[in-house]
Amino acid sequence: KQEVTQIPAALSVPEGENLVLNCSFTDSAIYNLQWFRQDPGKGLTSLLLIQSSQREQTSGRLNASLDKSSGRSTLYIAASQPGDSATYLCAARPYNNNDMRFGAGTRLTVKP
Amino acid sequence: NAGVTQTPKFQVLKTGQSMTLQCAQDMNHNSMYWYRQDPGMGLRLIYYSASEGTTDKGEVPNGYNVSRLNKREFSLRLESAAPSQTSVYFCASRGPGATAGEGELFFGEGSRLTVL
Repeated sequence: KQEVTQIPAALSVPEGENLVLNCSFTDSAIYNLQWFRQDPGKGLTSLLLIQSSQREQTSGRLNASLDKSSGRSTLYIAASQPGDSATYLCAARPYNNNDMRFGAGTRLTVKP
Repeated sequence: NAGVTQTPKFQVLKTGQSMTLQCAQDMNHNSMYWYRQDPGMGLRLIYYSASEGTTDKGEVPNGYNVSRLNKREFSLRLESAAPSQTSVYFCASRGPGATAGEGELFFGEGSRLTVL
């Protein structure tokens, strides 16, 4: 059974800092891995989707990488802003299984 | 674009009452999902529907039933609510990809349910 872990659970950084959020998964047999953002009391907003055949995806100040062999993905946020404060979740989609497995998330606070 | 729409957004029930959470998507997606989110536990899959007319159990299906009414709509029913079902419920749909498993997942805003 796929297990997804995100460490740390919470992170606080000053504005302008570059930062990396980590996601690890136990089974490398995945279709894809997706990163989401969740603001308090809101739903999940998709940030980046990386297919199993890809190494990374970029959108603006965000870059997500995928290393299936080591069971790791990272989300890099450049030049962080207070508006980036939110909880970031990763989820892995196993082969032959409709159950997308989610990590518990990293709660990011960017201080002005 | 509305995307994935859930109703109601908030609901308070007494133990033993029943209710249905409604979900509709306007993106012509085949697959739809119901998740629950509890503090410290991440999102867990309750039921999913790979296509119109089919439904399957996820990780935590006990106490719930679902109906895939048509391609757009997927409802979640609590027949006899229990305090353990207090949670935030999210509906999601999966977009197209090169294969059935590769599409992007899109979420609704959530339905916050409290069972007293």
